[in-house]
Amino acid sequence: QKEVEQNSGPLSVPEGAIASLNCTYSDRGSQSFFWYRQYSGKSPELIMSIYSNGDKEDGRFTAQLNKASQYVSLLIRDSQPSDSATYLCAVNRRNNDMRFGAGTRLTVKP
Amino acid sequence: EADIYQTPRYLVIGTGKKITLECSQTMGHDKMYWYQQDPGMELHLIHYSYGVNSTEKGDLSSESTVSRIRTEHFPLTLESARPSHTSQYLCASSEFEVSGNTIYFGEGSWLTVV
Repeated sequence: QKEVEQNSGPLSVPEGAIASLNCTYSDRGSQSFFWYRQYSGKSPELIMSIYSNGDKEDGRFTAQLNKASQYVSLLIRDSQPSDSATYLCAVNRRNNDMRFGAGTRLTVKP
Repeated sequence: EADIYQTPRYLVIGTGKKITLECSQTMGHDKMYWYQQDPGMELHLIHYSYGVNSTEKGDLSSESTVSRIRTEHFPLTLESARPSHTSQYLCASSEFEVSGNTIYFGEGSWLTVV
């Protein structure tokens, strides 16, 4: 079992829809969680971080964390073609060691 | 916003050549990393450093070496490049925070070994 698991996709949604990206992790002592976006041929860029159970909203993005279920998700509202990218889930484990998932490829169709 | 600079951005070299990929950051971050990523594939941690004079190997076995003589500088060296080293190399840095360390990436160095 990988330490951070994501569906590889591709996930395809129509423009204007809600895209839902999911991530599970194995280390129950993990403390902080991050979502990165990576366009093809580019380096990952930080979208959001979340540390506490519940939802955290930033513009069209909402991160959700459930530590009991070891589950973190990212919702993208009003999806745009420019959101088409690979989304990486990253988990900071109890020893402050960051682990990345393999990423979910999202395509938003006009 | 992070300021991490990588050079060269793109490089084509012949087999057997020695190459050093440069990475510098201006944020004073203690921890620095090198990741390797093939197109469309996942990130693999190959080296990291907790600070000056600290270097550690990552999860992916690599024939490269690193050094950390100054806080801001973390170069990666391949003594003898091979076609299997063709990949994108991403440098990153982070500052430790109580809530966890946020990693910021440079723009990457694309290496092609022919």
